[in-house]
Amino acid sequence: NAGVTQTPKFRILKIGQSMTLQCTQDMNHNYMYWYRQDPGMGLKLIYYSVGAGITDKGEVPNGYNVSRSTTEDFPLRLELAAPSQTSVYFCASKGFRGKGFFGQGTRLTVV
Amino acid sequence: AQKITQTQPGMFVQEKEAVTLDCTYDTSDQSYGLFWYKQPSSGEMIFLIYQGSYDEQNATEGRYSLNFQKARKSANLVISASQLGDSAMYFCAAGGSSNTGKLIFGQGTTLQVKP
Repeated sequence: NAGVTQTPKFRILKIGQSMTLQCTQDMNHNYMYWYRQDPGMGLKLIYYSVGAGITDKGEVPNGYNVSRSTTEDFPLRLELAAPSQTSVYFCASKGFRGKGFFGQGTRLTVV
Repeated sequence: AQKITQTQPGMFVQEKEAVTLDCTYDTSDQSYGLFWYKQPSSGEMIFLIYQGSYDEQNATEGRYSLNFQKARKSANLVISASQLGDSAMYFCAAGGSSNTGKLIFGQGTTLQVKP
């Protein structure tokens, strides 16, 4: 019973590089989310999805892209990485009611 | 637009006492959920409690209860009999149950439990 799996756990990127953060859930949840958390701060919603083929911008979408081709997967793409994207990234999923399940997070440093 | 406000950046409580963490929310959704999560220093997000906007009874989960006042748009978390292991960051969140599914978090409250 894996829940929400995020990869990688840690990554160092150089300015201008691109990467994809992977997120997979095995609970058949319709709702999936990507958040970023800067040190000592709350979680800011980047993008979210209410089902396969449907995505929408959250509070801080600039510099990111997502896709949702299947119910299980919700990858987050960073294009042209900038130091401001240094953060911890969390993926989460939930059903229509009830709790949301979080991945373990990805600590990303852009240098 | 949705907004979650946690007005207490930091709180102290004596071990074995009860503590209330405040949360107010602003949403135009008719149906929504209210959530509390705990984030210890290790960084993982731990679900504590959930309340649906149409639930008439306040939610309880062990030592956690959610004081839901719909008219005031408030969803305070009450922790009874605080333990040293309760020292952590606590986040309130709202949304995630309407057609939009959007789920927004507050800025968090750091709770320190004193022995």
